[in-house]
Amino acid sequence: DTGVSQDPRHKITKRGQNVTFRCDPISEHNRLYWYRQTLGQGPEFLTYFQNEAQLEKSRLLSDRFSAERPKGSFSTLEIQRTEQGDSAMYLCASSLAGTRNTDTQYFGPGTRLTVL
Amino acid sequence: AQRVTQPEKLLSVFKGAPVELKCNYSYSGSPELFWYVQYSRQRLQLLLRHISRESIKGFTADLNKGETSFHLKKPFAQEEDSAMYYCALPDTGRRALTFGSGTRLQVQP
Repeated sequence: DTGVSQDPRHKITKRGQNVTFRCDPISEHNRLYWYRQTLGQGPEFLTYFQNEAQLEKSRLLSDRFSAERPKGSFSTLEIQRTEQGDSAMYLCASSLAGTRNTDTQYFGPGTRLTVL
Repeated sequence: AQRVTQPEKLLSVFKGAPVELKCNYSYSGSPELFWYVQYSRQRLQLLLRHISRESIKGFTADLNKGETSFHLKKPFAQEEDSAMYYCALPDTGRRALTFGSGTRLQVQP
């Protein structure tokens, strides 16, 4: 499968612990996005990278959240001092910059986080 | 700020019946709209985008700027169409997508 991959697929943690998720985009894609999805809602944008530069951040991304894409390939999303409200599915997507106004974003399977 | 509204959480139809999944939006400028689909235990995937004007799996969607709608239609539903459907559009001048809350389509035999 050459699509977007995410690791781990599931994470259960206790409140106050730190967690880190990884996303591997489609290899030639230079844009990478993180979204969060809670039950009954559509995905909500968190942040976006073009190559290694973090170009957009949502107000949802509190100071406990940090994302990196150090070499312009894989990305990590870290949540520090997790809270029960952080329980959600975290989705990664990637796209290839092109001539379209809006690239087609290809999504990974997600990481489901449960904070106890 | 842009907004996407999908008024129905669940739409249940019988096989062979027509389907219309509603999507209304608010956006300043010329929007580019998408429909994404998520089948059971699969990842979110693009179904169609209005700019391409393609018909995918028998689904079509027409952008109606007057009514600010982008409803998804299919004349004859199939059981394999059962899934979650999300309407989305990009934030103004940004790369992020704003999604609706989704509609679950159930096609009964």
